[in-house]
Amino acid sequence: SQKIEQNSEALNIQEGKTATLTCNYTNYSPAYLQWYRQDPGRGPVFLLLIRENEKEKRKERLKVTFDTTLKQSLFHITASQPADSATYLCALDPPTGGFKTIFGAGTRLFVKA
Amino acid sequence: DTAVSQTPKYLVTQMGNDKSIKCEQNLGHDTMYWYKQDSKKFLKIMFSYNNKELIINETVPNRFSPKSPDKAHLNLHINSLELGDSAVYFCASSQDAAAQYFGAGTRLSVL
Repeated sequence: SQKIEQNSEALNIQEGKTATLTCNYTNYSPAYLQWYRQDPGRGPVFLLLIRENEKEKRKERLKVTFDTTLKQSLFHITASQPADSATYLCALDPPTGGFKTIFGAGTRLFVKA
Repeated sequence: DTAVSQTPKYLVTQMGNDKSIKCEQNLGHDTMYWYKQDSKKFLKIMFSYNNKELIINETVPNRFSPKSPDKAHLNLHINSLELGDSAVYFCASSQDAAAQYFGAGTRLSVL
């Protein structure tokens, strides 16, 4: 079965630096991979989606890469701000689709001022 | 207007009781979901509905019964609540299985 591994440890960085979060999967390559942000006591918020035939996707200060050979996605936040502190979830769907999204456990990011 | 709204936000109840959680989305999406997030923060899919039809039912006890009266609503009824049912339940919706929009969650505590 498909498994997703995200940095289990919290990531602490200084304001202004680039945060890089890792998402590794173990089995099939997904049709696409998504990143979500979750704040305490709230539901996840969709950030970016990248398809298997795309290498990179950007949105403002966010960048996602997708390497199907390494079975890995990297999520970057450039010029990080304390307001970026949250848990970031990686999610993927099987190549056949089917509305069966699998979420990783998430990585907690702390940005210090 | 909230895109995906679920009620109640908090639910505290005794073991053995029956309870329902309601979810509504005003985004015009075709697909709705129920997820369970446990104390370790794993978000696990329970059910997916597409155009009111059940698509996914992930190893969930029969005590959990979703109902979708129309595309904009997906309710979750839970019978005979157990201690292990304590968690945060999220409703979500999407178009074409991507970019899911989540509700704020219902925190269920079974005593």
